[in-house]
Formats: sequence, C-alpha cells, structure tokens
Amino acid sequence: EAEVAQSPRYKITEKSQAVAFWCDPISGHATLYWYRQILGQGPELLVQFQDESVVDDSQLPKDRFSAERLKGVDSTLKIQPAELGDSAMYLCASSLTAGDTEAFFGQGTRLTVV
Amino acid sequence: QKEVEQNSGPLSVPEGAIASLNCTYSDRGSQSFFWYRQYSGKSPELIMFIYSNGDKEDGRFTAQLNKASQYVSLLIRDSQPSDSATYLCAVNDAGNNRKLIWGLGTSLAVNP
Repeated sequence: EAEVAQSPRYKITEKSQAVAFWCDPISGHATLYWYRQILGQGPELLVQFQDESVVDDSQLPKDRFSAERLKGVDSTLKIQPAELGDSAMYLCASSLTAGDTEAFFGQGTRLTVV
Repeated sequence: QKEVEQNSGPLSVPEGAIASLNCTYSDRGSQSFFWYRQYSGKSPELIMFIYSNGDKEDGRFTAQLNKASQYVSLLIRDSQPSDSATYLCAVNDAGNNRKLIWGLGTSLAVNP
C-alpha cells in the first residue's frame, strides 16, 4: 500500500544546531504539506507545495525554517538554528490535489530540542 | 481569520453508546469537510469526508453536514474502546490555495 515516508522518526538536537527532515510523498501526489503539531493541538500548516512551487508559507518562520521540493517529488524541511520552542511533531502529508481530496500523513518526526 | 472550532473535551461515553462530535467553521465558501482520527503519538488518519449537505454513512460512522448553519458533525455508533482518540475536523479554505483549516480536535474516551 502506498504511503508517505518520513525520516527520521525521532530526532534529539541541541539548541542552536541545524536539523533537517525528509519526506517522500505518495507517487503522483502533486500537493505536499509540512505541518507542525504541538501536543494537544491541531496541525499547524508550515508550508504547502504544488509540485515544486510553494503556494503557502505564511506560517513558516522564515528566519530559521526553510523548505524545498526541488523536483516536485520529495521534500526537505530544515531548521537552523533550532530553538527549545521548536520541540514538536513534524508531519508531512500529501494529496492528489489541494484541499479537495484526502491528505495522507506520514508517521511524523518527533523533534526534541534540548 | 478563518476558523474551525471544536470542543476540546474530553468527551466520555460508555462502550456501546453513540458518540457525537461537533465542528463549526467560519468560511461560507468551504466545499470539503474531513474528519480525521489521531491516536496518541500517531499521525492523523482519515475517517470520513463529506462534500454535500446531509448525511454520509460508513459502517459505524456518520458524517452530517449543514452548510447553512456552517456545522459538520461525526456520529460514532456502538462506540468501542478502540475509538478512544482525538478527532480532528478539517475544512478547505476555498479562497486560499484550498489549504485545509484544522480544528484543535476533540478527545474521545470510550469506557468499557
């Protein structure tokens, strides 16, 4: 069964260090989302891609976060430098089209900044 | 600011009862409505989606949509302890790249 692949599953990093997360969406899915989820809250959209283009990054803290999807397939989310408040679950999801069809989620990366 | 609101709960029901989860949304242009289930420490997974007014049934789950009242609900019949999870409501933002707007989720506990 097709699934969204994310790595790593868990990451512990010291504050001020750089950290990167990788996501491989379901084949053929044009829309890719990166979400941040803090325990007890709903997912917060960080960035949305349509193919290789960013269509929404209004909630991405651009002074420290960056995201790319160079060939319109897999994607990388980077944080540099990491801060204690970045500790959260980072979820990648993909869908055939934006907003109208089911978004499939990867297993997520649990980030702990110490 | 377009919003999706859910009662945070926890909603506690006995095993075998009907659990009713509610969601209101602010964007009148929204066309797609999704219910996701999220177990603790896991990723959200889709339970139901609904596009048209009325009811949509899938096994023990029924989604109800009332666009005039900007209200969508999820009913779980014959609730099981395995249904204990957080239920997230998501609504598409028709005017903003069709991104999904998420509620904070309702925690459901089904007691044996």
